[in-house]
Amino acid sequence: GDSVTQMEGPVTLSEEAFLTINCTYTATGYPSLFWYVQYPGEGLQLLLKATKADDKGSNKGFEATYRKETTSFHLEKGSVQVSDSAVYFCALMGRRGAQKLVFGQGTRLTINP
Amino acid sequence: DTGVSQDPRHKITKRGQNVTFRCDPISEHNRLYWYRQTLGQGPEFLTYFQNEAQLEKSRLLSDRFSAERPKGSFSTLEIQRTEQGDSAMYLCASSQTEVAEKLFFGSGTQLSVL
Repeated sequence: GDSVTQMEGPVTLSEEAFLTINCTYTATGYPSLFWYVQYPGEGLQLLLKATKADDKGSNKGFEATYRKETTSFHLEKGSVQVSDSAVYFCALMGRRGAQKLVFGQGTRLTINP
Repeated sequence: DTGVSQDPRHKITKRGQNVTFRCDPISEHNRLYWYRQTLGQGPEFLTYFQNEAQLEKSRLLSDRFSAERPKGSFSTLEIQRTEQGDSAMYLCASSQTEVAEKLFFGSGTQLSVL
């Protein structure tokens, strides 16, 4: 079945550092890919998405590019802030059958001032 | 838009008891999802509704679990004869069919089975 694998956390960085969180997927066909974020005490919210190969999703300074050849969707940000501290989930939604999200295990990110 | 609301936020119960959770989706959303999340893991799909119709159930959803969405509005998730392994965060999400890929999540109900 479909699955998502994320780099293990936790990840701790200093403010203004460069961030990469790796995500790879296994799916039948060409799924849509997502990054969701969960801030402390809040529900999951969509950060960005890409629906086809070579698409780049972006939001709040974060970017991720849909790479079909490497089945990856790595999350990047050039300069992180303390307010980016959260848990980040990579996810996919297949195009066939029920449209449900399949999540990775999550990566906890802590940014120190 | 008041967001997805879940009730209660926390539930502590003894093994063998029945529990019921409620989810109120965003009012114009016709899709509703239930997920379960355990510590250190991503959410796992349980079931989903299109309006009042339950269209898919995960194998994770044993016969002790039942979900309903009468009239296509709020939804309830009931767990009968709870077990310690049921302890988890139960998340509800909703979306519009036209933008099915954008799910809005509630804050969840944290269940602890003693």
